[in-house]
Amino acid sequence: AQTVTQSQPEMSVQEAETVTLSCTYDTSESDYYLFWYKQPPSRQMILVIRQEAYKQQNATENRFSVNFQKAAKSFSLKISDSQLGDAAMYFCAYRSFMEYGNKLVFGAGTILRVKS
Amino acid sequence: DAGVTQSPTHLIKTRGQQVTLRCSPKSGHDTVSWYQQALGQGPQFIFQYYEEEERQRGNFPDRFSGHQFPNYSSELNVNALLLGDSALYLCASSLSGPGQGGTSNQPQHFGDGTRLSIL
Repeated sequence: AQTVTQSQPEMSVQEAETVTLSCTYDTSESDYYLFWYKQPPSRQMILVIRQEAYKQQNATENRFSVNFQKAAKSFSLKISDSQLGDAAMYFCAYRSFMEYGNKLVFGAGTILRVKS
Repeated sequence: DAGVTQSPTHLIKTRGQQVTLRCSPKSGHDTVSWYQQALGQGPQFIFQYYEEEERQRGNFPDRFSGHQFPNYSSELNVNALLLGDSALYLCASSLSGPGQGGTSNQPQHFGDGTRLSIL
């Protein structure tokens, strides 16, 4: 079974600065998807960025980018020019490419606090 | 374009009771997944419905059951409630694809969740 580990329970960043959230995962599969989701206090889980394991190029979405290290099974999220609205719980998630269905396996989450 | 909607927003029940939670998927989506999120933890996959059948199931007891209707909306039922069932229940929808059983690479869109409290 696949597992996702987020070793940072909480992180803080100054507004306009850059922060990196860590995620490692364990799988025996070669093809899969990785995601970062954001969950603000409003509770809705919002997709931030996704990465297909077969793509070597790291995904980017505006101020959000990932550092995908397949061999190390590492998938970190970098947030540049942090804004107050970035404060939330961030979850790393794994999805099998081959498995029937498309369930997500989530990590325990990292609380991100943004200081003004 | 309506997103994923869940009802009710908050529910209080007592041990031993039964509860039904409801989810309407995002317009155009046909696959619905349910997750349980305990306080301070990541969501845990309960099950997924496609074409009105349970397609995939997580490690949850039979007390947790579900249903999908022809309009793709879904219900999550929990019987014989335990204190440990207190959690945020999230519904997610996605669009099926050409893969086996409708598996696709489309991302899941989440609703705001139902907060279930067991007294």
